[in-house]
Amino acid sequence: NAGVTQTPKFRILKIGQSMTLQCTQDMNHNYMYWYRQDPGMGLKLIYYSVGAGITDKGEVPNGYNVSRSTTEDFPLRLELAAPSQTSVYFCASSYSFGGGRFANYGYTFGSGTRLTVV
Amino acid sequence: KQEVTQIPAALSVPEGENLVLNCSFTDSAIYNLQWFRQDPGKGLTSLLLIQSSQREQTSGRLNASLDKSSGRSTLYIAASQPGDSATYLCAVRISGSRLTFGEGTQLTVNP
Repeated sequence: NAGVTQTPKFRILKIGQSMTLQCTQDMNHNYMYWYRQDPGMGLKLIYYSVGAGITDKGEVPNGYNVSRSTTEDFPLRLELAAPSQTSVYFCASSYSFGGGRFANYGYTFGSGTRLTVV
Repeated sequence: KQEVTQIPAALSVPEGENLVLNCSFTDSAIYNLQWFRQDPGKGLTSLLLIQSSQREQTSGRLNASLDKSSGRSTLYIAASQPGDSATYLCAVRISGSRLTFGEGTQLTVNP
C-alpha cells in the first residue's frame, strides 16, 4: 500500500498565485486532515474531514479551502498565496477502532509538501 | 484552548545515554496522548499511545508515562543510538479525532 501520497514535494509560488496541494490515501480511511508546520513549531490543523462530502475548519483555516468529493482524495487549495503561507504542509488520514467515547484513531501521515511563497 | 509544550526544544547526547523528553498540556480533559517521531523529509510515525486512564506504555527501548492531573507526559529512551536521531512530537486528543501537537524536541545522538 502507498499510504498517504502528497504532491508536489516542493513548490515555489509568487505572491498572489494560487495552487492546489494534492493528497490521496489508499487505505479507505474516513478521516483526513491538513496540517501546516512552521520552523520550530508543532503541527497546526488547517482543515479536516470525517468523510466524503464533509469538511470542517481547524485552528488556522484562513487563506485555504478544501473539498472531499471521494474517500481517497482531500486537496488543499491556496487561492491568493501570501508569504505567511510559507510552510511545510502535511496531509494525514486516520481510521477509528473501538467504540463511542473510547474510540481510538490510527494515523498515517504523508511525507509533506514544502511550500515557499516569494 | 489546549496548549501543548515540549521541553527541551533540542537535545544532543552521546550514544548509549538514557534520556527523557518532556511534554506538558494545559487542559487535563484529554482522551489520550501520543508520541510521534519525525524524520527529515518524511511524515510522522506513531511511537506510543497512552490512554487517559493509563499511566505508562512501553515499546522496546521507549517508555512513555502520563500524569493527566498534572498535565505532563515523559518519553524515556534507554540506551540511545544514532538511529534515534529525529524530532519527537507529542500530541493530545481532546475532541473527535483531532490532535493538538507540541513544538517537538529535536534529538541528536552522537556516535
